[in-house]
Amino acid sequence: AQSVAQPEDQVNVAEGNPLTVKCTYSVSGNPYLFWYVQYPNRGLQFLLKYITGDNLVKGSYGFEAEFNKSQTSFHLKKPSALVSDSALYFCAVSEGQGAQKLVFGQGTRLTINP
Amino acid sequence: GAVVSQHPSWVICKSGTSVKIECRSLDFQATTMFWYRQFPKQSLMLMATSNEGSKATYEQGVEKDKFLINHASLTLSTLTVTSAHPEDSSFYICSARERDYYNEQFFGPGTRLTVL
Repeated sequence: AQSVAQPEDQVNVAEGNPLTVKCTYSVSGNPYLFWYVQYPNRGLQFLLKYITGDNLVKGSYGFEAEFNKSQTSFHLKKPSALVSDSALYFCAVSEGQGAQKLVFGQGTRLTINP
Repeated sequence: GAVVSQHPSWVICKSGTSVKIECRSLDFQATTMFWYRQFPKQSLMLMATSNEGSKATYEQGVEKDKFLINHASLTLSTLTVTSAHPEDSSFYICSARERDYYNEQFFGPGTRLTVL
C-alpha cells in the first residue's frame, strides 16, 4: 500500500527567503505525485504533479518540486516566499496509471513571516 | 476549466436528521468522483469512490449505510449522511476525475457539517 510522509508539521520562513516543504513517499509501482494547497475552510487547490519525464516539475504560483527516485522524495520549493503563500500544504501519491486513490500526507502548515 | 462545486458550503443540523451534500463538475464530465472527510488540523481521508452509474466503493471502516453515495450522472454525485450524530461533524470534500484526463483529481471547495 502506498503512503506519504510530511515530516514537518509546521515550517516558518521569512518573506523573500527560499522555502522547502518536505515529502517522502512509498509505493510498490510507479508513483504519481501531487502537491495541493489548502486555505482555511476551503478545498484543495492543485499546485503541481509528477507523472513522468523531467524530475523538476514547475507548477502554479512559482512553486516547483523535484522528484528524487533514489530518495523517494518529492519536496516542494519556491525561490522567494510571499506572505500570501502561508497555508496548509499536502503531498499526495497515487500508485499506477491515473489519479486513482490518492493517499495524502498529514499536511505541513507553512507560515511566511513579513 | 475543471471546476467542481459543492452545495451547501456549510450546514448545521440536529442529531438524528439526514443531510445531503451535492458535488458537481461544472465544465467537464466526471466519470469518477471521490469523497473525503477532513477533521480539524488533520489530513484528508478517502471515504469512497463513485463511478457514474455504478455502486460506490467504500474504504475500510466507512459505513456504507450511514454515508450513502449516489453518482447518477456524469456531472453530479451526492453524499447523504443519514441519522447524523455529533461525531459526524467534519469537513467533507469531493473531487472529480475527468473522463479523458485521468491523471488529476479536481477538488470542490468543501462542505462544513456541524451536527448539534
